[in-house]
Amino acid sequence: EAQVTQNPRYLITVTGKKLTVTCSQNMNHEYMSWYRQDPGLGLRQIYYSMNVEVTDKGDVPEGYKVSRKEKRNFPLILESPSPNQTSLYFCASSLNGLAASYEQYFGPGTRLTVT
Amino acid sequence: AQSVAQPEDQVNVAEGNPLTVKCTYSVSGNPYLFWYVQYPNRGLQFLLKYITGDNLVKGSYGFEAEFNKSQTSFHLKKPSALVSDSALYFCAVRDKGMRFGAGTRLTVKP
Repeated sequence: EAQVTQNPRYLITVTGKKLTVTCSQNMNHEYMSWYRQDPGLGLRQIYYSMNVEVTDKGDVPEGYKVSRKEKRNFPLILESPSPNQTSLYFCASSLNGLAASYEQYFGPGTRLTVT
Repeated sequence: AQSVAQPEDQVNVAEGNPLTVKCTYSVSGNPYLFWYVQYPNRGLQFLLKYITGDNLVKGSYGFEAEFNKSQTSFHLKKPSALVSDSALYFCAVRDKGMRFGAGTRLTVKP
C-alpha cells in the first residue's frame, strides 16, 4: 500500500530533551515536507526537500532541523524542544518537487506535547 | 509571496443542500491551487486541483471547484451535501512548498 508513515504518533516530552520524529514514504517520491498544524493557523511549512541531500526552509523553520540522506526518509529533529513547539505535525510527499502540479500525500500526523 | 485565504471558519449546511466553501488567492503568475480535506484524527487527503485549462475542476467524492481569475477565487462546491462530508477543509497554493489557508470546518446536519 502506498503511504507516508510517521513515528511516533503521540509524544509527550519535557523542555530541552532532544527528539526525532521519523517520516518514511514508499512511493519513490522526490519531494518531502514537514508541516505543523495549529488551531486557527492552518498548516505551516517547516522544511521541505526537493530531493536527496537538498533541503530548504519553509515559513517556520526556527527550532527544527531536517536531513535527507535517503529518498524515502525525512526525519524532523527538535534539538531543544520548547512548549511553543507543542503542535500536530504532518509529513507529506509528492512525486516531483520541481513540478508544482503534483498533489501531496500526507502521513497520519504526530501529536507532540512539550511540557 | 503566494497565499490563500479562507474567509469562513465554519460553514453549516443541511444534508441534501448544496455547499460552498470559499477560498481566495493572491499569487504572482499562474496559480496552482489545491483543496484538501481532513477528517478527525487523520492526515489530509487530496480532493482536487487547478493547474490550467477548464475553470471547473472535478474531484473526489463529488466535489468540484470553480477557478475565477477575475475574482481571484477558487471556491469548493458540492451539489448535494452528505453528513459524511463533515470535516475540515483546506485550500492551498503551491509555492516552493505549499501554503495553506487556516481551514474551514464544514458541518452537515441531517
